Amino acid sequence: ILNVEQSPQSLHVQEGDSTNFTCSFPSSNFYALHWYRWETAKSPEALFVMTLNGDEKKKGRISATLNTKEGYSYLYIKGSQPEDSATYLCAYYAGNNRKLIWGLGTSLAVNP
Amino acid sequence: DTAVSQTPKYLVTQMGNDKSIKCEQNLGHDTMYWYKQDSKKFLKIMFSYNNKELIINETVPNRFSPKSPDKAHLNLHINSLELGDSAVYFCASSQGQQFNQPQHFGDGTRLSIL
Repeated sequence: ILNVEQSPQSLHVQEGDSTNFTCSFPSSNFYALHWYRWETAKSPEALFVMTLNGDEKKKGRISATLNTKEGYSYLYIKGSQPEDSATYLCAYYAGNNRKLIWGLGTSLAVNP
Repeated sequence: DTAVSQTPKYLVTQMGNDKSIKCEQNLGHDTMYWYKQDSKKFLKIMFSYNNKELIINETVPNRFSPKSPDKAHLNLHINSLELGDSAVYFCASSQGQQFNQPQHFGDGTRLSIL
């Protein structure tokens, strides 16, 4: 059974704080790791797709790192804003599987 | 223009009825998916089609039947609806079967069974 775990489950921060959360996945047969942002009443929106160990990707104030050997990825948000409030999902794809395995997400609330 | 559109957005119906949800994408992608978001907010793959061919068929009751008339459309037909079918169903698409490509999601269809 392939499990993707995300922590923490939820997070409350103040506007301007920087924050990060974790996605853990099996390190065997790694192919790709996806990050998505899911705002309430909207659909998931892709942030990053990462494939190489040591990959770092950045989009504005949001960045992500990948460690495929130990099976984790971090998502960082610098200077959180209220509009960053959303659930952040990661999904893992193993080369011997044909589907993304999704985590339950980290729910971020940024207080103004 | 909406990239992945699904209709209807809300569907309220009686147990035992048959209903369909439609999905269309204008991104030129050749792979499409149906997901079910369960009560724990977990996204679970149901089906995936690549160029109108079924490539993923998870353990889903055979009351659920996907149909892909062309690679831009993937519809979901559900027979004999049951209370447990109440959920939000998301359609998505991606370029190819390469999972290094992001998936693009529709806004979801909230299905409520009375």
